Amino acid sequence: AQSVAQPEDQVNVAEGNPLTVKCTYSVSGNPYLFWYVQYPNRGLQFLLKYITGDNLVKGSYGFEAEFNKSQTSFHLKKPSALVSDSALYFCAVASAGNNRKLIWGLGTSLAVNP
Amino acid sequence: NAGVTQTPKFRVLKTGQSMTLLCAQDMNHEYMYWYRQDPGMGLRLIHYSVGEGTTAKGEVPDGYNVSRLKKQNFLLGLESAAPSQTSVYFCATSGDRTGYTFGSGTRLTVV
Repeated sequence: AQSVAQPEDQVNVAEGNPLTVKCTYSVSGNPYLFWYVQYPNRGLQFLLKYITGDNLVKGSYGFEAEFNKSQTSFHLKKPSALVSDSALYFCAVASAGNNRKLIWGLGTSLAVNP
Repeated sequence: NAGVTQTPKFRVLKTGQSMTLLCAQDMNHEYMYWYRQDPGMGLRLIHYSVGEGTTAKGEVPDGYNVSRLKKQNFLLGLESAAPSQTSVYFCATSGDRTGYTFGSGTRLTVV
């Protein structure tokens, strides 16, 4: 069965420090991987995706994610966190054979402290 | 481009009342989805549609109905609202390999 795990409900980081939000997945076949961000009282916004190609994917707002096939992970990273990055982050996966059906993680709340 | 537009943005219903949530898209996407979001439970798929005139059940369809009479619109109906349906509802669309585009949500309270 396909699944996504975001092992941390909350991540706290100081402004200016690097941040990592973790995601691991299980899917049959090649994965399509996505990160979305949700600011308070807003809808989910697309950050980045991995479909194929370079394992390091760059996205919006300075975020990047690294696809690691052997560890079945797709961790979201940013070199220097901003207070405005505080939000809820969702990882999602689909199989290449059915890329319209996204399986969602439960989300990780990121708090960046000034 | 408006993308995905949901109406209304907020609504308070009394138990037993009915209402319809509208999702409209201008992205020409075939697939459309209705999710509900509750604290600690992530996103749960209610119903989805793979094209005009088609609908299918998601993981939490009970108490909801949907219709997709036109490609650009996907309607979510609550025939007899219950307090358990208090939630934030999101519509999304998807193209091939694009991921999902979400609306801004409808906050529904059933009292």
